Amino acid sequence: EAGVVQSPRYKIIEKKQPVAFWCNPISGHNTLYWYLQNLGQGPELLIRYENEEAVDDSQLPKDRFSAERLKGVDSTLKIQPAELGDSAVYLCASSLGIAGADETQYFGPGTRLLVL
Amino acid sequence: GNSVTQMEGPVTLSEEAFLTINCTYTATGYPSLFWYVQYPGEGLQLLLKATKADDKGSNKGFEATYRKETTSFHLEKGSVQVSDSAVYFCALINAGGTSYGKLTFGQGTILTVHP
Repeated sequence: EAGVVQSPRYKIIEKKQPVAFWCNPISGHNTLYWYLQNLGQGPELLIRYENEEAVDDSQLPKDRFSAERLKGVDSTLKIQPAELGDSAVYLCASSLGIAGADETQYFGPGTRLLVL
Repeated sequence: GNSVTQMEGPVTLSEEAFLTINCTYTATGYPSLFWYVQYPGEGLQLLLKATKADDKGSNKGFEATYRKETTSFHLEKGSVQVSDSAVYFCALINAGGTSYGKLTFGQGTILTVHP
């Protein structure tokens, strides 16, 4: 069974440029999460989707970040414009969405962003 | 709010040594507790979990017991191998309110095991 797929794996951009990250969750997983992981820290939730609905986006900086999951499957996270402080690893995770709040979340390998 | 505190790293051990990585948490109610592991170049993987007090999670020789009285979930392994070298994250989910489905992670502990 394929795991969570993310692309690109690495991205280098100049500040003020836009950037987008793509995630394809495990087949059949209804819940999708985007996490931000700064160097030397644990991941922090940015947004959680149940199917195509964003049910928790309280930690998403909406002035520059946006996300979508139009058909309830794959998802895109966008930053426009990027700032130096956005350099981090962006992780996508998915879960079945039927087993309760503590069901296992499966993580992708992440996209490492460097803003110059 | 919820928070997780892990012991400072990095931790360096010789093969077959005993491992303990301390983890304590702050949360309201009855959170579920997790240990995730991140091997070099790979994504986070669930190592083990415990959903209620006194539960013991175990996997691949690793164990952790949910201690509500001390709000702890320390990770242990009796004999580490070089292949256990990775970053270990303690995390919790609190099912109540606005924290539903949100994993709260500690800062991670780097483990290096030498032959």
